[in-house]
Amino acid sequence: QVQLQESGPGLAKSSETLSLTCSVSGASVTTRNYFWGWIRQPPGRGLEWIANIYYGGTTQYNPSLKSRVTISMDTSKNQFSLILSSVTAADTALYYCARVTSAWYFDYWGQGALVTVSS
Amino acid sequence: DIQMTQSPSSLSASVGDRVSISCRASQSIGTYLNWYQHKPGRAPKLLIFAASTLQSGVPARFTGSGSGTDFTLTISSLQPEDFATYFCQQSHMIPYTFGQGTKLEIK
Repeated sequence: QVQLQESGPGLAKSSETLSLTCSVSGASVTTRNYFWGWIRQPPGRGLEWIANIYYGGTTQYNPSLKSRVTISMDTSKNQFSLILSSVTAADTALYYCARVTSAWYFDYWGQGALVTVSS
Repeated sequence: DIQMTQSPSSLSASVGDRVSISCRASQSIGTYLNWYQHKPGRAPKLLIFAASTLQSGVPARFTGSGSGTDFTLTISSLQPEDFATYFCQQSHMIPYTFGQGTKLEIK
C-alpha cells in the first residue's frame, strides 16, 4: 500500500522561505512512469496544483508559482520536497503530496500538512 | 488556464439515493478528467480517471461519464460512507486544475 506523509513547519513568517517534505512508503520514488507532486488548498478555496517531479530530474511547475517554487527529490531517503520562497498570507494552505501517474492524475495522496503564514 | 466548474457546490441526499455531480471545463479536454473523494482529515482518494475508468478497489456504484467539456460523476445508491466532498481535475494540460468541490451531505 502506497503511503505518503507530509511534514513541515506548521507556521512560517511572511517573506521567508517555506520547506515541506513528503516521505513515501510502500513504493519507491524511482519507480518508472510515476511522477511525484504537490497540491495545496487554501482555507475555503479549491485545490491548486503546484509542481511535479520525476526521479530522472524532469520537473513541471504551475506557471503562477514557478518563480517561487523548487521541487526536489532525495532518492536515498525516498522523499521529495517543496521549497516556496517569499511567502505571504496567501500561501496559507493545506499542502498535499501525491503520486502522479503518466496520465497526470494523482492516484495516492498524503493527508496534508497545514501551513500558516503570519506577518 | 482551464477553468473547472462543478455543480452543485453542495448537495443533500439520503442513503439509497442516486446522485449526480457535474463538472464543466472551460475548453475541451477530451477525456482527461478525473474524480476524487475527500473526507476531512483524510487523504483524498482517486475514484475515476480518464472520465470513466474506475480506479481499482472503488465500488461499482460510482460511474463517470462525459467528454469534451461536460462530465458527470454518478453514485447509483448512496451509502453512509459516501458522504464527503467530491472534486474533479483536468489532466489535459499544465497547469492541472481542479473544480471547487461538491460537498455531499446527509439529508
